[in-house]
Amino acid sequence: GAGVSQTPSNKVTEKGKYVELRCDPISGHTALYWYRQSLGQGPEFLIYFQGTGAADDSGLPNDRFFAVRPEGSVSTLKIQRTERGDSAVYLCASSFFRSGGLNEQFFGPGTRLTVL
Amino acid sequence: DAKTTQPPSMDCAEGRAANLPCNHSTISGNEYVYWYRQIHSQGPQYIIHGLKNNETNEMASLIITEDRKSSTLILPHATLRDTAVYYCIASERSNDYKLSFGAGTTVTVRA
Repeated sequence: GAGVSQTPSNKVTEKGKYVELRCDPISGHTALYWYRQSLGQGPEFLIYFQGTGAADDSGLPNDRFFAVRPEGSVSTLKIQRTERGDSAVYLCASSFFRSGGLNEQFFGPGTRLTVL
Repeated sequence: DAKTTQPPSMDCAEGRAANLPCNHSTISGNEYVYWYRQIHSQGPQYIIHGLKNNETNEMASLIITEDRKSSTLILPHATLRDTAVYYCIASERSNDYKLSFGAGTTVTVRA
């Protein structure tokens, strides 16, 4: 079946601009995750959704970052007033949620964001 | 989550077993060991996880020492497609939605 898809695959923007990154999770997955990966480093957790609500947004670096999942499926990560330090690959993952069980995360290919 | 330590890189020969070490000396009793890998330009992929018993699946085997302070991921017959960054993560089951990936081990399988 179809995996997690992310659009766009690449986004180049100018400092100060607003960007939206989209994630389409695997159908039926109730949990959705966003991570950010800088060059040469492992992914860093940003936010986790269970259904429509953000269950844990402790990884969002500041209030310029915001994410929504209004219908419990597609999610959008929104970055306001982008800075050069926001340049990274933004990864989305989804999973079934099993309370007390393994939440194996299935990752998309990521969106490479470049802020000039 | 307990800190994990992995070698930055390692090479292995195609067709041979690849043994990837991970140190997690401060792991607590309810923290699992998870392994993910990331092939170039792709998102991470789950491989295997375990608590204290050795585990095996179609991709790999996980050997956890009796004191749980270290573990080894074994790829039994490495292929060129196994070239990737491998991440060892220690996490409580209740926290495994926010994986702490670290720098991982870059594994290069050579023909």
